[in-house]
Amino acid sequence: DAKTTQPPSMDCAEGRAANLPCNHSTISGNEYVYWYRQIHSQGPQYIIHGLKNNETNEMASLIITEDRKSSTLILPHATLRDTAVYYCIVRVDGGTSYGKLTFGQGTILTVHP
Amino acid sequence: DAGVTQSPTHLIKTRGQQVTLRCSPKSGHDTVSWYQQALGQGPQFIFQYYEEEERQRGNFPDRFSGHQFPNYSSELNVNALLLGDSALYLCASRRDRAYEQYFGPGTRLTVT
Repeated sequence: DAKTTQPPSMDCAEGRAANLPCNHSTISGNEYVYWYRQIHSQGPQYIIHGLKNNETNEMASLIITEDRKSSTLILPHATLRDTAVYYCIVRVDGGTSYGKLTFGQGTILTVHP
Repeated sequence: DAGVTQSPTHLIKTRGQQVTLRCSPKSGHDTVSWYQQALGQGPQFIFQYYEEEERQRGNFPDRFSGHQFPNYSSELNVNALLLGDSALYLCASRRDRAYEQYFGPGTRLTVT
Protein backbone atom coordinates (compact mmCIF):
# COMPACT_ATOMS: atom_id res chain seq x y z
CA ASP A 1 0.00 0.00 0.00
CA ALA A 2 1.20 3.51 -0.84
CA LYS A 3 2.57 5.70 1.93
CA THR A 4 0.73 8.90 2.83
CA THR A 5 1.92 12.20 4.30
CA GLN A 6 -0.34 14.46 6.35
CA PRO A 7 0.31 17.59 8.43
CA PRO A 8 0.44 16.68 12.13
CA SER A 9 -2.13 19.26 13.16
CA MET A 10 -4.55 21.87 11.83
CA ASP A 11 -6.97 24.39 13.31
CA CYS A 12 -10.33 25.51 12.00
CA ALA A 13 -12.97 27.97 13.17
CA GLU A 14 -16.43 26.59 13.84
CA GLY A 15 -18.71 27.04 10.85
CA ARG A 16 -15.86 27.39 8.39
CA ALA A 17 -14.69 24.78 5.92
CA ALA A 18 -11.90 22.48 7.07
CA ASN A 19 -9.55 21.39 4.27
CA LEU A 20 -7.28 18.50 5.21
CA PRO A 21 -4.51 17.67 2.72
CA CYS A 22 -2.87 14.32 2.06
CA ASN A 23 0.08 13.49 -0.17
CA HIS A 24 0.31 10.02 -1.72
CA SER A 25 2.84 10.50 -4.51
CA THR A 26 3.55 6.75 -4.90
CA ILE A 27 -0.09 5.75 -5.35
CA SER A 28 -0.75 3.01 -7.89
CA GLY A 29 -3.51 3.01 -10.47
CA ASN A 30 -5.62 0.48 -8.57
CA GLU A 31 -5.29 2.08 -5.14
CA TYR A 32 -8.15 3.94 -3.53
CA VAL A 33 -7.91 6.91 -1.17
CA TYR A 34 -9.79 6.41 2.09
CA TRP A 35 -10.42 8.82 4.94
CA TYR A 36 -11.24 7.77 8.49
CA ARG A 37 -11.41 9.85 11.64
CA GLN A 38 -11.03 9.00 15.29
CA ILE A 39 -12.72 11.09 17.92
CA HIS A 40 -11.09 10.90 21.34
CA SER A 41 -11.73 7.60 23.15
CA GLN A 42 -13.67 6.12 20.22
CA GLY A 43 -12.86 3.72 17.40
CA PRO A 44 -12.08 5.10 13.94
CA GLN A 45 -15.05 6.07 11.77
CA TYR A 46 -15.21 5.78 7.99
CA ILE A 47 -15.75 9.13 6.23
CA ILE A 48 -15.35 8.71 2.49
CA HIS A 49 -13.28 7.08 -0.23
CA GLY A 50 -12.52 7.54 -3.93
CA LEU A 51 -10.42 6.32 -6.82
CA LYS A 52 -9.96 9.26 -9.16
CA ASN A 53 -13.22 11.20 -9.32
CA ASN A 54 -14.24 13.71 -6.69
CA GLU A 55 -16.69 12.26 -4.19
CA THR A 56 -19.24 13.78 -1.84
CA ASN A 57 -21.42 12.31 0.87
CA GLU A 58 -23.34 13.62 3.85
CA MET A 59 -20.18 14.00 5.91
CA ALA A 60 -17.55 15.40 3.57
CA SER A 61 -16.15 15.90 0.09
CA LEU A 62 -13.03 14.28 -1.30
CA ILE A 63 -11.04 16.08 -3.98
CA ILE A 64 -8.35 14.00 -5.76
CA THR A 65 -5.87 15.73 -8.06
CA GLU A 66 -5.76 14.67 -11.67
CA ASP A 67 -2.39 12.94 -11.24
CA ARG A 68 -3.79 11.29 -8.07
CA LYS A 69 -0.68 12.18 -6.10
CA SER A 70 -2.58 14.18 -3.51
CA SER A 71 -6.07 14.68 -2.16
CA THR A 72 -8.03 16.98 0.12
CA LEU A 73 -10.80 16.09 2.53
CA ILE A 74 -13.26 18.94 2.95
CA LEU A 75 -15.62 19.30 5.89
CA PRO A 76 -17.85 22.11 4.57
CA HIS A 77 -19.09 23.53 7.86
CA ALA A 78 -16.92 22.30 10.72
CA THR A 79 -18.44 21.91 14.17
CA LEU A 80 -16.83 21.32 17.54
CA ARG A 81 -17.79 17.64 17.20
CA ASP A 82 -15.49 17.38 14.17
CA THR A 83 -12.44 17.75 16.43
CA ALA A 84 -10.63 14.44 15.87
CA VAL A 85 -7.61 12.73 14.33
CA TYR A 86 -8.13 12.35 10.57
CA TYR A 87 -6.38 9.50 8.77
CA CYS A 88 -5.73 9.37 5.03
CA ILE A 89 -5.20 5.77 3.87
CA VAL A 90 -4.34 4.45 0.44
CA ARG A 91 -5.01 0.82 -0.37
CA VAL A 92 -6.02 -1.65 -3.03
CA ASP A 93 -9.58 -2.93 -2.96
CA GLY A 94 -10.35 -6.54 -3.73
CA GLY A 95 -7.94 -9.32 -4.54
CA THR A 96 -5.66 -10.21 -1.65
CA SER A 97 -6.09 -6.84 0.03
CA TYR A 98 -8.92 -8.15 2.21
CA GLY A 99 -9.54 -4.67 3.55
CA LYS A 100 -6.43 -4.24 5.68
CA LEU A 101 -6.06 -0.59 6.70
CA THR A 102 -2.58 0.87 7.21
CA PHE A 103 -2.89 3.92 9.45
CA GLY A 104 -0.25 6.63 9.68
CA GLN A 105 -0.03 9.35 12.30
CA GLY A 106 -2.95 11.31 10.88
CA THR A 107 -3.82 15.00 11.28
CA ILE A 108 -5.19 16.30 14.56
CA LEU A 109 -7.95 18.73 13.58
CA THR A 110 -9.04 21.13 16.29
CA VAL A 111 -12.20 23.13 15.68
CA HIS A 112 -12.39 26.33 17.73
CA PRO A 113 -15.56 28.18 18.77
CA ASP B 1 -29.13 -2.10 15.10
CA ALA B 2 -26.16 -2.52 17.41
CA GLY B 3 -22.81 -1.62 16.01
CA VAL B 4 -19.57 -3.41 16.78
CA THR B 5 -19.32 -4.25 20.46
CA GLN B 6 -16.22 -5.18 22.43
CA SER B 7 -15.65 -6.52 25.91
CA PRO B 8 -14.31 -5.78 28.37
CA THR B 9 -13.93 -2.02 28.18
CA HIS B 10 -10.85 -1.92 30.35
CA LEU B 11 -8.51 -4.60 31.60
CA ILE B 12 -5.44 -4.66 33.81
CA LYS B 13 -3.08 -7.63 33.62
CA THR B 14 0.32 -8.52 34.97
CA ARG B 15 3.36 -9.19 32.81
CA GLY B 16 3.48 -12.85 31.75
CA GLN B 17 -0.26 -13.40 32.02
CA GLN B 18 -2.65 -14.24 29.20
CA VAL B 19 -5.66 -12.20 28.08
CA THR B 20 -8.72 -12.77 25.90
CA LEU B 21 -10.62 -9.91 24.30
CA ARG B 22 -14.00 -10.32 22.64
CA CYS B 23 -15.75 -8.71 19.69
CA SER B 24 -19.25 -8.97 18.27
CA PRO B 25 -19.50 -7.64 14.72
CA LYS B 26 -22.21 -5.43 13.34
CA SER B 27 -25.27 -7.35 12.20
CA GLY B 28 -24.81 -8.77 8.72
CA HIS B 29 -21.02 -8.55 8.82
CA ASP B 30 -18.92 -11.67 8.36
CA THR B 31 -15.36 -10.32 8.45
CA VAL B 32 -13.57 -9.23 11.61
CA SER B 33 -10.21 -7.49 11.89
CA TRP B 34 -8.20 -6.64 14.98
CA TYR B 35 -5.95 -3.61 15.46
CA GLN B 36 -3.59 -2.49 18.20
CA GLN B 37 -3.30 1.22 18.95
CA ALA B 38 -0.50 2.40 21.21
CA LEU B 39 -0.85 5.78 22.87
CA GLY B 40 -0.35 8.60 20.38
CA GLN B 41 -0.06 6.25 17.39
CA GLY B 42 -2.39 5.14 14.62
CA PRO B 43 -3.96 1.68 14.80
CA GLN B 44 -1.77 -1.21 13.62
CA PHE B 45 -3.33 -4.23 11.85
CA ILE B 46 -2.99 -7.50 13.77
CA PHE B 47 -5.06 -9.96 11.70
CA GLN B 48 -8.34 -10.57 9.96
CA TYR B 49 -10.78 -13.46 10.24
CA TYR B 50 -13.24 -14.66 7.62
CA GLU B 51 -15.17 -17.93 7.56
CA GLU B 52 -13.58 -18.86 10.87
CA GLU B 53 -10.06 -18.73 9.48
CA GLU B 54 -7.24 -16.22 9.76
CA ARG B 55 -7.07 -14.75 6.29
CA GLN B 56 -4.40 -12.08 6.67
CA ARG B 57 -1.89 -11.21 9.36
CA GLY B 58 0.14 -8.14 10.20
CA ASN B 59 3.60 -7.98 11.72
CA PHE B 60 2.75 -9.38 15.15
CA PRO B 61 4.35 -12.32 16.98
CA ASP B 62 2.68 -15.69 17.48
CA ARG B 63 1.79 -14.63 21.03
CA PHE B 64 -1.15 -12.93 19.33
CA SER B 65 -3.78 -15.39 18.17
CA GLY B 66 -7.43 -15.29 17.43
CA HIS B 67 -10.56 -17.16 16.69
CA GLN B 68 -13.80 -16.56 14.85
CA PHE B 69 -16.97 -18.39 15.78
CA PRO B 70 -19.82 -19.57 13.52
CA ASN B 71 -21.87 -16.51 14.55
CA TYR B 72 -18.97 -14.33 13.26
CA SER B 73 -17.96 -13.07 16.70
CA SER B 74 -14.26 -13.14 17.41
CA GLU B 75 -11.68 -13.37 20.16
CA LEU B 76 -8.16 -12.01 20.37
CA ASN B 77 -5.79 -13.87 22.65
CA VAL B 78 -2.43 -12.57 23.80
CA ASN B 79 -0.06 -14.86 25.69
CA ALA B 80 2.96 -14.02 27.84
CA LEU B 81 1.99 -10.36 28.12
CA LEU B 82 4.71 -7.74 27.90
CA LEU B 83 4.59 -4.17 29.14
CA GLY B 84 4.66 -3.10 25.49
CA ASP B 85 1.34 -4.85 24.87
CA SER B 86 -0.39 -2.06 26.78
CA ALA B 87 -2.63 -0.44 24.18
CA LEU B 88 -6.16 0.09 22.91
CA TYR B 89 -7.30 -3.01 21.02
CA LEU B 90 -9.82 -2.27 18.30
CA CYS B 91 -12.11 -4.65 16.47
CA ALA B 92 -13.49 -3.77 13.04
CA SER B 93 -16.13 -5.59 11.03
CA ARG B 94 -17.51 -5.45 7.51
CA ARG B 95 -19.30 -7.55 4.95
CA ASP B 96 -16.65 -9.33 2.93
CA ARG B 97 -15.31 -7.05 0.16
CA ALA B 98 -17.37 -4.07 1.32
CA TYR B 99 -15.60 -0.72 1.29
CA GLU B 100 -16.58 0.50 4.71
CA GLN B 101 -15.35 -0.99 7.95
CA TYR B 102 -17.01 -0.32 11.27
CA PHE B 103 -14.90 -0.08 14.39
CA GLY B 104 -15.86 -0.86 17.95
CA PRO B 105 -14.97 1.39 20.89
CA GLY B 106 -11.98 -0.76 21.80
CA THR B 107 -10.63 -2.51 24.88
CA ARG B 108 -8.00 -0.62 26.87
CA LEU B 109 -5.40 -3.16 28.09
CA THR B 110 -2.88 -2.12 30.70
CA VAL B 111 -0.01 -4.50 31.51
CA THR B 112 1.81 -3.84 34.77
